Amino acid sequence: DQQVKQNSPSLSVQEGRISILNCDYTNSMFDYFLWYKKYPAEGPTFLISISSIKDKNEDGRFTVFLNKSAKHLSLHIVPSQPGDSAVYFCAASARAAGNKLTFGGGTRVLVKP
Amino acid sequence: DGGITQSPKYLFRKEGQNVTLSCEQNLNHDAMYWYRQDPGQGLRLIYYSQIVNDFQKGDIAEGYSVSREKKESFPLTVTSAQKNPTAFYLCASTERGINREQYFGPGTRLTVT
Repeated sequence: DQQVKQNSPSLSVQEGRISILNCDYTNSMFDYFLWYKKYPAEGPTFLISISSIKDKNEDGRFTVFLNKSAKHLSLHIVPSQPGDSAVYFCAASARAAGNKLTFGGGTRVLVKP
Repeated sequence: DGGITQSPKYLFRKEGQNVTLSCEQNLNHDAMYWYRQDPGQGLRLIYYSQIVNDFQKGDIAEGYSVSREKKESFPLTVTSAQKNPTAFYLCASTERGINREQYFGPGTRLTVT
């Protein structure tokens, strides 16, 4: 039973436009959410996170939105750049579970010049 | 430079052999984690340790074993009991406390034939 789902396996976007990546979760105990970027054969790199007490967090070109009632979060990348082409994973943790992360299946983003 | 190292980058073994993957961190992090990634899938938690000499099973611990004798080191042994050992293995660490992002090593690609 997947507790964190990324329903879009891939996304193609033109350079300069917005990339929107979506993530849904089922476990209402999750209270901290993260986005990671990953290149092939490398470890994931942390991008941005959001606590359940917030509904938005912004860091440069990256903004994460959290809708707790819908159990949904999204990552917006504006403007998209060719270097953003990678696989993006959302992850969630619950305070009671001691920082254990549950990952979604990933979304592959291709930014076309 | 602080970080997490995993060695080797690529590892090949014959079926029926145990193999140990190395993970070392000099970030002074208390907690360490092992994940595996299969092609086209997200990361799944194998084992984690929140403090020296203590560790817990993750979601897919069968066929694996770990030890945590030093804060800096968290080796993972893939035993012959693991039915599908070929995968990309990632080690991560994090500071003590809630809502902390995990930092990942570069990964080890294990191929068992």
